[in-house]
Amino acid sequence: GNSVTQMEGPVTLSEEAFLTINCTYTATGYPSLFWYVQYPGEGLQLLLKATKADDKGSNKGFEATYRKETTSFHLEKGSVQVSDSAVYFCALRMNYGGSQGNLIFGKGTKLSVKP
Amino acid sequence: GAVVSQHPSRVICKSGTSVKIECRSLDFQATTMFWYRQFPKKSLMLMATSNEGSKATYEQGVEKDKFLINHASLTLSTLTVTSAHPEDSSFYICSARDHLATLTDTQYFGPGTRLTVL
Repeated sequence: GNSVTQMEGPVTLSEEAFLTINCTYTATGYPSLFWYVQYPGEGLQLLLKATKADDKGSNKGFEATYRKETTSFHLEKGSVQVSDSAVYFCALRMNYGGSQGNLIFGKGTKLSVKP
Repeated sequence: GAVVSQHPSRVICKSGTSVKIECRSLDFQATTMFWYRQFPKKSLMLMATSNEGSKATYEQGVEKDKFLINHASLTLSTLTVTSAHPEDSSFYICSARDHLATLTDTQYFGPGTRLTVL
């Protein structure tokens, strides 16, 4: 079946460090891919998305490129801030013509950024 | 952005009692709401999808008689865990899809409810 695997955390970085959170997926077709972020005490928020191969999603300095050949959607940021401390979820959703499947999430990766 | 609230944020109950969790879309109307369950260090697992005014669609393995879902209005869905047992202890998250954005990825999540059954 369809699934998402992301690197286990927690990930602890110093401020201004480079961030990579790996995410790979298994899907029977061509899904849309997402990164969601959950700040402490808040709900999941869509961070970025990509709907087809080679698309790059970007937002708030974060980027992820949809790589069909490696079935990956790794999240990167060049210089993290303390305020980026949160749990990050990679997710996929299958598209069936004009309708959407449900979101399938990875386990989440907790990021802690130290000043 | 759109806001989804959940109440309560945390609940502790005795085994055998029922617990109701509310999910509200605060500034938009939600034709569809989703209920997820998250165990420690596990993915969010979709439990059910509810559409306003109709019966919820449950995922395989989810007991519909144990997890009662009601979506009586476009801004409120409730999940009732009936006759709760310690194994039902978990983090329950709802999300809502804006009814004006049925073909987009606009799905908003609540902050979650931590249920502990003693």
